[in-house]
Amino acid sequence: ILNVEQSPQSLHVQEGDSTNFTCSFPSSNFYALHWYRWETAKSPEALFVMTLNGDEKKKGRISATLNTKEGYSYLYIKGSQPEDSATYLCASTFPAGANNLFFGTGTRLTVIP
Amino acid sequence: ETGVTQTPRHLVMGMTNKKSLKCEQHLGHNAMYWYKQSAKKPLELMFVYSLEERVENNSVPSRFSPECPNSSHLFLHLHTLQPEDSALYLCASSRVLGGKYYGYTFGSGTRLTVV
Repeated sequence: ILNVEQSPQSLHVQEGDSTNFTCSFPSSNFYALHWYRWETAKSPEALFVMTLNGDEKKKGRISATLNTKEGYSYLYIKGSQPEDSATYLCASTFPAGANNLFFGTGTRLTVIP
Repeated sequence: ETGVTQTPRHLVMGMTNKKSLKCEQHLGHNAMYWYKQSAKKPLELMFVYSLEERVENNSVPSRFSPECPNSSHLFLHLHTLQPEDSALYLCASSRVLGGKYYGYTFGSGTRLTVV
């Protein structure tokens, strides 16, 4: 079992503000780190899969960084929009169980118009 | 639509009922999963089927019984559940090749309430 933690649990930001949140995971035996965006009543949507230390990925206004040595990843949203309101989940896996994603409890983001 | 379809979306059942949740994918994936999300807890893996064989159980109570008749369909049979089993049940699928997985995709879940 991998202990994955996310902070903060919830976050309210004004439209146009930039924001970021954190995912912490065990650095030993790391394999991959996933970020998902989950809107209410919909499926979790894959944002990024990251495997290399120092990796940085970007998708529109959303980007993520990865530090496998210290066991954390940041997700950044630039110029938040109301449609960014969702729960952002991260999940980690280890090599022997690469099919098993261990999830954090998520960060619930609300963007206020 | 992600390509992973779950039915029903909502289910209310009594503790003595027997019901089944269904998951279907047409993405060409060869692994399927059941996850459970209880209130304020992270998603927890319940079952994994890879190439139609169950590879992980995670000590789930026997009142939950999975079935994977082919690589496109996955069921979760429920019987004599408890109120604490009320949760969101998510199905996922992926492609497994050479021990690596690709394209992990979720359905939108079944909201189960046990009364």
